[in-house]
Amino acid sequence: SQTIHQWPATLVQPVGSPLSLECTVEGTSNPNLYWYRQAAGRGLQLLFYSVGIGQISSEVPQNLSASRPQDRQFILSSKKLLLSDSGFYLCAWSVNLGKPQHFGDGTRLSIL
Amino acid sequence: GDSVTQMEGPVTLSEEAFLTINCTYTATGYPSLFWYVQYPGEGLQLLLKATKADDKGSNKGFEATYRKETTSFHLEKGSVQVSDSAVYFCALSDTQGAQKLVFGQGTRLTINP
Repeated sequence: SQTIHQWPATLVQPVGSPLSLECTVEGTSNPNLYWYRQAAGRGLQLLFYSVGIGQISSEVPQNLSASRPQDRQFILSSKKLLLSDSGFYLCAWSVNLGKPQHFGDGTRLSIL
Repeated sequence: GDSVTQMEGPVTLSEEAFLTINCTYTATGYPSLFWYVQYPGEGLQLLLKATKADDKGSNKGFEATYRKETTSFHLEKGSVQVSDSAVYFCALSDTQGAQKLVFGQGTRLTINP
């Protein structure tokens, strides 16, 4: 069966520090991959999605970037974190058309 | 663009009460519709889905019917339990490209014993 792993589960970082969140999927090939952010008390915002290795689409302009170095690995990064980057970050994957997305357990990021 | 509107929360009910969480959408074409649930401190889990008009999704006693004429996908449960306390998200997905999900803002549900 397919599984999705995100780490770390929680992270506390100072303003201006770099960031790297990792997400990996097992048990499937060539998944669509997604990064979402959930700000406190708000809904989910799609940040990036990828339909293949090296293919990244950005949904909103921001301080973050994403990369997909391998088929089942999706990385969210920042060179210098801002206070506004705090939130709950969720990775998700889906097979192709008509299939729902499956989410990881999320990373809670706090910026001090 | 596509959008999803959910009823404002939080919603507080007593155990065994009837639950309705309203969801309406705006979309071009014929999207698939989903309800996701997020338990405290966890990621989202798919609760149920419907892929075409008049489809009824159901799971764990929850139901929602895809109503094209009213562009709605309301979530219902006949008798809620304390363990149903969570945040519920309505979402739609277009059927092309990367299948991006558009979420509602979420409705926090608390069930008191």
